[in-house]
Amino acid sequence: KAGVTQTPRYLIKTRGQQVTLSCSPISGHRSVSWYQQTPGQGLQFLFEYFSETQRNKGNFPGRFSGRQFSNSRSEMNVSTLELGDSALYLCASSLAPGTSGSEQFFGPGTRLTVL
Amino acid sequence: QQQVKQSPQSLIVQKGGISIINCAYENTAFDYFPWYQQFPGKGPALLIAIRPDVSEKKEGRFTISFNKSAKQFSLHIMDSQPGDSATYFCAAVHSGYALNFGKGTSLLVTP
Repeated sequence: KAGVTQTPRYLIKTRGQQVTLSCSPISGHRSVSWYQQTPGQGLQFLFEYFSETQRNKGNFPGRFSGRQFSNSRSEMNVSTLELGDSALYLCASSLAPGTSGSEQFFGPGTRLTVL
Repeated sequence: QQQVKQSPQSLIVQKGGISIINCAYENTAFDYFPWYQQFPGKGPALLIAIRPDVSEKKEGRFTISFNKSAKQFSLHIMDSQPGDSATYFCAAVHSGYALNFGKGTSLLVTP
């Protein structure tokens, strides 16, 4: 079974630009979550989608947004990029939300560098 | 606000030794406590997990000890191997919502 795939793997943008990252969950998984990983803040939750609806959102500004498609694939968008947005963006999929212990499987991440 | 505090930040252990990583939490609503292992260039992968109604869980060389009254849990890696060198994250979840991660422990196992 293929794992979680994220594209692109690496991205370089300049301040003020916007970026879209893509995530394809494991086949059959309907819940997708996004996390930001930085050396200073560690892993921080961005948002979670299930059945094309945002189910939960972390404490990030409105510049960060996402969506999920009917095939469970998800995209996240960051507008007006800032230097501090440089990070590894991780996508995780699980069978369904709302159940503690529903294992989240992570993709390899997209490394975003903002210059 | 970090909901899960993890220590130490880094750890060096000799091959064959025991690696111990500790985590503490405040929110008593947390009901699932997983540990993740992350190698460079990879996403985190679930290593082992425990629920608060169990005080210990062992899987191979990896053991979670859980102290509900102290709101602490720890990961023990027995007979540590160089291949265990990675970053380890503890996390806590309630009601199946987002993973709240600790800041991670970089483990180096020397030959």
